[in-house]
Amino acid sequence: DADVTQTPRNRITKTGKRIMLECSQTKGHDRMYWYRQDPGLGLRLIYYSFDVKDINKGEISDGYSVSRQAQAKFSLSLESAIPNQTALYFCATSVSGLGYNEQFFGPGTRLTVL
Amino acid sequence: RKEVEQDPGPFNVPEGATVAFNCTYSNSASQSFFWYRQDCRKEPKLLMSVYSSGNEDGRFTAQLNRASQYISLLIRDSKLSDSATYLCVVKGNAGKSTFGDGTTLTVKP
Repeated sequence: DADVTQTPRNRITKTGKRIMLECSQTKGHDRMYWYRQDPGLGLRLIYYSFDVKDINKGEISDGYSVSRQAQAKFSLSLESAIPNQTALYFCATSVSGLGYNEQFFGPGTRLTVL
Repeated sequence: RKEVEQDPGPFNVPEGATVAFNCTYSNSASQSFFWYRQDCRKEPKLLMSVYSSGNEDGRFTAQLNRASQYISLLIRDSKLSDSATYLCVVKGNAGKSTFGDGTTLTVKP
């Protein structure tokens, strides 16, 4: 079984709809992250959470919100989807600490906003 | 200027070639450095961490130059299976990571 899972894997929606992307992990990591990736670009951080009570904005948080329901679950919501939010979204986890801590990624959610 | 900049690529090389990728970062307080590999729109996976002393893993060698704020990845004896996008990742002192845009490598027979 995958350690980091994302649902749905693909989603097509219309402008103005509210969308929730979900992420679950069985790695027991404290830290969880949401990134988006656009074609030809690297990953950009949307939100991150260092523990259940800690939520922080990343570099591109406008138009998004998150919820850390439990250590293992971190959801990303698009309150009112717009076409330029069409992208590949990745959830990731890592252990705590400032050192060389690998991030483990989910398989991604491909979101299309029409 | 982007916080993390990589060679734009793409790199197209024959099997057996040696290829090097470069990455520069702007934040001198950055703490740790990585190369991730990403296959065609799949999730990134850690290839190797980049330590101050440099490190080598088989055909792959990573170097870090803190004074120049520069990271490199050298791949020797390229294989077809090395074809992928290589992402330079820099982690800051607040625990957040910044990704470069990636360099795409295609190894041809």
